[in-house]
Amino acid sequence: EAQVTQNPRYLITVTGKKLTVTCSQNMNHEYMSWYRQDPGLGLRQIYYSMNVEVTDKGDVPEGYKVSRKEKRNFPLILESPSPNQTSLYFCASTSIGEPYGYTFGSGTRLTVV
Amino acid sequence: AQKVTQAQTEISVVEKEDVTLDCVYETRDTTYYLFWYKQPPSGELVFLIRRNSFDEQNEISGRYSWNFQKSTSSFNFTITASQVVDSAVYFCALSEAFGQNFVFGPGTRLSVLP
Repeated sequence: EAQVTQNPRYLITVTGKKLTVTCSQNMNHEYMSWYRQDPGLGLRQIYYSMNVEVTDKGDVPEGYKVSRKEKRNFPLILESPSPNQTSLYFCASTSIGEPYGYTFGSGTRLTVV
Repeated sequence: AQKVTQAQTEISVVEKEDVTLDCVYETRDTTYYLFWYKQPPSGELVFLIRRNSFDEQNEISGRYSWNFQKSTSSFNFTITASQVVDSAVYFCALSEAFGQNFVFGPGTRLSVLP
């Protein structure tokens, strides 16, 4: 089944404790992206990657890092999480010519206390 | 810069009513793509439709229909004979270069009451 897999689905952590949210897709998509969703703000892009070793900042990159060492994986790293990073996070992938736009992961609900 | 506006934050209707969700977009590109996604209470994002800027034909899929008007930069979504299962947050989105610069509107929360 074609899908984007994110882990974990839920995470509660403390301020300052480094964490990684993993994202993997099995569709050989070139383009991957991370979004955060906050009430009233819709989905805002954090980082995106157009292919292996090519990443760029989205609209809200502060406090996040990403890497794209393999085509299928695009982890999101929070080096020192803060409470304002409490949010619902989505990983997504797509490809040129993909008629369905993005395929989204199931989401990761992160709470930083 | 591109932008998507969904002026309706929340809408409530009674089952079997028709409801239209508005979407207005801004872009400088002549080639772009518009999307609608549904986010049910379970949280996942479900693709509904993609429309490219060269295709202004309206589309109907069952109880769902979409009205794309370039003259007013709008891509509105109508649900006919709404059902409780239609209760969700609906996002309109715009992509200028396909696969890049994907911008979402703030979403409209639709509640369909029995």
